[in-house]
Amino acid sequence: AQTVTQSQPEMSVQEAETVTLSCTYDTSESNYYLFWYKQPPSRQKILVIRQEAYKQQNATENRFSVNFQKAAKSFSLKISDSQLGDTAMYFCAFGKETSGSRLTFGEGTQLTVNP
Amino acid sequence: DTGVSQDPRHKITKRGQNVTFRCDPISEHNRLYWYRQTLGQGPEFLTYFQNEAQLEKSRLLSDRFSAERPKGSFSTLEIQRTEQGDSAMYLCASRRDSLYEQYFGPGTRLTVT
Repeated sequence: AQTVTQSQPEMSVQEAETVTLSCTYDTSESNYYLFWYKQPPSRQKILVIRQEAYKQQNATENRFSVNFQKAAKSFSLKISDSQLGDTAMYFCAFGKETSGSRLTFGEGTQLTVNP
Repeated sequence: DTGVSQDPRHKITKRGQNVTFRCDPISEHNRLYWYRQTLGQGPEFLTYFQNEAQLEKSRLLSDRFSAERPKGSFSTLEIQRTEQGDSAMYLCASRRDSLYEQYFGPGTRLTVT
């Protein structure tokens, strides 16, 4: 069974600064996908970024980028130039290519961006 | 895409009652998932449909839970004889075959009193 661990329950950052959220996972699979989802207060989860395990290049989406270390089973999210609208709960998720690709989530990290 | 919708958004029920939730996935998304999320935890997988076929169920899905997806469109999740431990946010997500990311609905928050 896969497990996903987010060891930082809460983090805060000043507006315009950079912050990194940590995620580690455990799996015996070789083909899988990793995701970061954002959930703003009282709103639904929104996909931030995804990474295919077979790709060595780290994914980037505007101010969001990941540091994917497959051997270390680490998948951290870096947010550059933090904005107030980035305040949200962030969830790391793992999905296998097989088994219907159900997602296994971490516990979440509450990020607060301070003005 | 109009997004995944769920109804109702909130449900308060008394222990022992039956409840039913509905999920409308993004059109043309043939895969549909149900998750449950409790406070302080990430979502946990409950069950999964590919078109109208229910292909996988979690051990979390006791015999009091049943899910359907008639005609491969919307899905319903029914909980019979609700218990206080069923209080949670029930999330629906959908995706296309060709893409692995799932799109989530706003959830139905169930409170069992």
